[in-house]
Amino acid sequence: AQSVAQPEDQVNVAEGNPLTVKCTYSVSGNPYLFWYVQYPNRGLQFLLKYITGDNLVKGSYGFEAEFNKSQTSFHLKKPSALVSDSALYFCAVRDGGSQGNLIFGKGTKLSVKP
Amino acid sequence: DGGITQSPKYLFRKEGQNVTLSCEQNLNHDAMYWYRQDPGQGLRLIYYSQIVNDFQKGDIAEGYSVSREKKESFPLTVTSAQKNPTAFYLCASSPSAGDEETQYFGPGTRLLVL
Repeated sequence: AQSVAQPEDQVNVAEGNPLTVKCTYSVSGNPYLFWYVQYPNRGLQFLLKYITGDNLVKGSYGFEAEFNKSQTSFHLKKPSALVSDSALYFCAVRDGGSQGNLIFGKGTKLSVKP
Repeated sequence: DGGITQSPKYLFRKEGQNVTLSCEQNLNHDAMYWYRQDPGQGLRLIYYSQIVNDFQKGDIAEGYSVSREKKESFPLTVTSAQKNPTAFYLCASSPSAGDEETQYFGPGTRLLVL
């Protein structure tokens, strides 16, 4: 069975500091990994994905994520946080062979203070 | 403007009543999805459709039904068999199943039980 774990309900960061939002996964086949962001009153948006290739993937708004196969992790990172990054972040996974059936984590609320 | 519309924004259901949530897209996407979002549980897939007149159950399909008679429309019916329907419902679409990076999400419908 596929599953995603986001161990932190909330992450608090000062503006300008680096941020990390953690995600670990379990999938039977090749993992397709994703990060989405949900801004207040703006719906859910795709940030980035990992399918194959370089373990460090870059996405929208300066975010990046590092795929670690041995630790089954896909942590979201940004070198310098902005107040406008404050939102709800979701990690998602699917098996490469199961198109359409994304499994989402429970979400992590990121709060960036000035 | 192209996008996904969901109506209504808020919906109230009485005990034993079926209600239907509307989802319309004008993006010419083949695939459409319904997710349920509960606090602390992230998004869970209810149903998805890869093409007109075809749909598959997601992880929590019990108590829900869908139809896909037109490419642009994917209505979700919450039946009286769904014992805990209070949640935020998100509809999404993508050019085809597996195109997560081009998956558009609607603004959502909040369903409340009276």
